[in-house]
Amino acid sequence: DQQVKQNSPSLSVQEGRISILNCDYTNSMFDYFLWYKKYPAEGPTFLISISSIKDKNEDGRFTVFLNKSAKHLSLHIVPSQPGDSAVYFCAASADFGNEKLTFGTGTRLTIIP
Amino acid sequence: SAVISQKPSRDICQRGTSLTIQCQVDSQVTMMFWYRQQPGQSLTLIATANQGSEATYESGFVIDKFPISRPNLTFSTLTVSNMSPEDSSIYLCSARRSTDTQYFGPGTRLTVL
Repeated sequence: DQQVKQNSPSLSVQEGRISILNCDYTNSMFDYFLWYKKYPAEGPTFLISISSIKDKNEDGRFTVFLNKSAKHLSLHIVPSQPGDSAVYFCAASADFGNEKLTFGTGTRLTIIP
Repeated sequence: SAVISQKPSRDICQRGTSLTIQCQVDSQVTMMFWYRQQPGQSLTLIATANQGSEATYESGFVIDKFPISRPNLTFSTLTVSNMSPEDSSIYLCSARRSTDTQYFGPGTRLTVL
């Protein structure tokens, strides 16, 4: 039972354009969401998070949008840079203090120079 | 953020043997966790490493197979016991402070022959 789904295993985007990575979840108890980036042979690196009381959170080139009614969140990267090429994981938890994270399967983003 | 190191970074082991993975954090943290990422899969939480007491295991993971220690607030070990090829995975340690998000170590790539 995959409670967090990333339906696109891969995505290619031209450098300078916007990258949009999507994530869907099924568990209505999830109320805190995170995005991690992972390079080969490294652990996941925290990027940005959002709690369910918000619908948008921004940090530099990264913006996360949350649509609770649709149980959907997305990560926007603009402008995309070659260093953004990595695997991106969406994760969710029932509350910030809980921190038991459920991860999606990841989307491999390739930025084309 | 916390800086997390893991040893070994990779290993190739024979079936039936055991391997202990070490996780060291550069500062005291409230919580430490162990995850597994099987080939082509998402990250799955194995257990929460509790300081001074038995770890809390997730469904599908048992102490006899994955004994965990956490003797203090900066160090934990995970042992993969009586290994089989199905245990070939990346094993990741993560940690968080009470008011912070969860940060990951670089992972240990285990291959069981």
